[in-house]
Amino acid sequence: AQRVTQPEKLLSVFKGAPVELKCNYSYSGSPELFWYVQYSRQRLQLLLRHISRESIKGFTADLNKGETSFHLKKPFAQEEDSAMYYCALTHAGGTSYGKLTFGQGTILTVHP
Amino acid sequence: DTGVSQDPRHKITKRGQNVTFRCDPISEHNRLYWYRQTLGQGPEFLTYFQNEAQLEKSRLLSDRFSAERPKGSFSTLEIQRTEQGDSAMYLCASSLGTTSALAYEQYFGPGTRLTVT
Repeated sequence: AQRVTQPEKLLSVFKGAPVELKCNYSYSGSPELFWYVQYSRQRLQLLLRHISRESIKGFTADLNKGETSFHLKKPFAQEEDSAMYYCALTHAGGTSYGKLTFGQGTILTVHP
Repeated sequence: DTGVSQDPRHKITKRGQNVTFRCDPISEHNRLYWYRQTLGQGPEFLTYFQNEAQLEKSRLLSDRFSAERPKGSFSTLEIQRTEQGDSAMYLCASSLGTTSALAYEQYFGPGTRLTVT
């Protein structure tokens, strides 16, 4: 069975500080990993996916298959980064691709 | 097209009643997904459609739940004989499904919040 674990429900940092949101997964096949974000009063939206290797809004995430982790990082947090962040995975290929398994989410608060 | 829409946004019902939710995906998207989200948890997959075909259903989807996408456009999710445990946010998402990479980017609707009293 596939599982995504985000060990921190809440994370608080000050503006300008580095931030790391942790995500660990268990999956027997070949996963694709994503980070989704939900800002206050907005709908859930894709932040980044590991296959594109993009940096979005200054965030990056590296897939570490050895440690089965996909931590989200940003060197200098901004107040507008305050949001709920979800790590998610899907099977890479086959008929189940696209079906997402989400973690429990981490609420990030960036203080001024 | 302003994105995925869901109706109603809120629904309060009494235990035992039936409810139906509607999802209108982005018009060119052929994949449509339903998720359920309870307080403090991430969304959980319920089912998905490719065009009008329902390709997968989660074990979370009991016999009281049924979803349709009759013409490959909008979808409905019906819950019969609602129970208090059905109280949750029901999210709909859509994506292109023509290639696996495009299928990954799911666009979510605002959700329907169901409260069963």
